Amino acid sequence: ETGVTQTPRHLVMGMTNKKSLKCEQHLGHNAMYWYKQSAKKPLELMFVYNFKEQTENNSVPSRFSPECPNSSHLFLHLHTLQPEDSALYLCASSRRDRGATNEKLFFGSGTQLSVL
Amino acid sequence: SQQGEEDPQALSIQEGENATMNCSYKTSINNLQWYRQNSGRGLVHLILIRSNEREKHSGRLRVTLDTSKKSSSLLITASRAADTASYFCATVGGYSTLTFGKGTMLLVSP
Repeated sequence: ETGVTQTPRHLVMGMTNKKSLKCEQHLGHNAMYWYKQSAKKPLELMFVYNFKEQTENNSVPSRFSPECPNSSHLFLHLHTLQPEDSALYLCASSRRDRGATNEKLFFGSGTQLSVL
Repeated sequence: SQQGEEDPQALSIQEGENATMNCSYKTSINNLQWYRQNSGRGLVHLILIRSNEREKHSGRLRVTLDTSKKSSSLLITASRAADTASYFCATVGGYSTLTFGKGTMLLVSP
């Protein structure tokens, strides 16, 4: 148990559906992240939130919409996805101090998403 | 990009043997970290080595860092079947977030 909980663990959706992924951390961290993991590819950083403010958006298509209502919760809202969006979506959190560069990430177990 | 690249892509060994994985990166870093991932699960942090450190140990893990060659290695001694997983290196430069490589898939057979 890493202290980062993701739901659901598995999700199958059609291209016209709207769904949301949820992430919750119980570690008192102030930064939260969404990563995408596709087969044979490096982990791709999608979004970073620091103290609820989005600090990074790595050219992610608008069909992925993040929401961070507080430092403990992170959502990824999905709509009109494509089959190539099928992947493992991982949430992570860290304690990001100002100027800190030695933070380590704590990951959830991920949501395995299949888009039909 | 300072993305790390692991080598080999896959490694198969017998229980009790040592496993060595390498990571190369392109730009200067503040630290390098190794993570482990069991199939279909999240990543778990193993060890962090700072740019001014050359070697670090944690249990059966030994990590080295050569900043002149921009490379790191992870050694797992006396491997066990439970060590079967994918191993990733991740680098941090400046104030940027961790970037990961594609990983090395390790299979340890009983």
